Amino acid sequence: EVQLVESGGGLVQPGRSMKLSCAASGFTFSNYGMAWVRQAPTKGLEWVATISYDGSSTYYRDSVKGRFTISRDNAKSTLYLQMNSLRSEDTATYYCTRGGGVGDYWGQGVMVTVSS
Amino acid sequence: DVQMTQSPYNLAASPGESVSINCKASKSISKYLAWYQQKPGKANKLLIYDGSTLQSGIPSRFSGSGSGTDFTLTIRSLEPEDFGLYYCQQHNEYPYTFGAGTKLELK
Repeated sequence: EVQLVESGGGLVQPGRSMKLSCAASGFTFSNYGMAWVRQAPTKGLEWVATISYDGSSTYYRDSVKGRFTISRDNAKSTLYLQMNSLRSEDTATYYCTRGGGVGDYWGQGVMVTVSS
Repeated sequence: DVQMTQSPYNLAASPGESVSINCKASKSISKYLAWYQQKPGKANKLLIYDGSTLQSGIPSRFSGSGSGTDFTLTIRSLEPEDFGLYYCQQHNEYPYTFGAGTKLELK
């Protein structure tokens, strides 16, 4: 059974950093591109970043470019999102998805709240 | 960025009825459109990708059509578990973009 379990969220002050993790199981992690998608409270879904199966290619939405870094450890079957210089508008539930473009499996999400 | 305009915003229907949700892209995205279902407490579910390809395990009452800029998700003979939020997403070019969502409610 495919499972994606996000962790690392919480409350963080503006300008600070936070790192999210997504532990994958039930499939060969190194065969798939992966992505992060977020959803601000009461808002719709927003794609954040994608990484290729081997980590050689990454893509970001403009609003997080230069602040967020998507990465992966295929030996640990884990996806990461390093978030620096956080802003209030980054407050959202962050979902890990399998598939760099179309997310055929999603995690339950982890909440990130950026507030002083 | 490709803007995705989804309609209607709200939709009320009864079990057994058929409904359609539309998604319009601001430019051609070829066939590269996906549909997702979101329900509280459950992981988001992929229903359709590449415009009309049914994801494995999804009931055949769900179907997708369209290409270019205009796409439709149709749900025939609504079941009680079909009520929730539906989103379209273009996966043709970065940044991938979603529609604003359609809330399918029980009439």
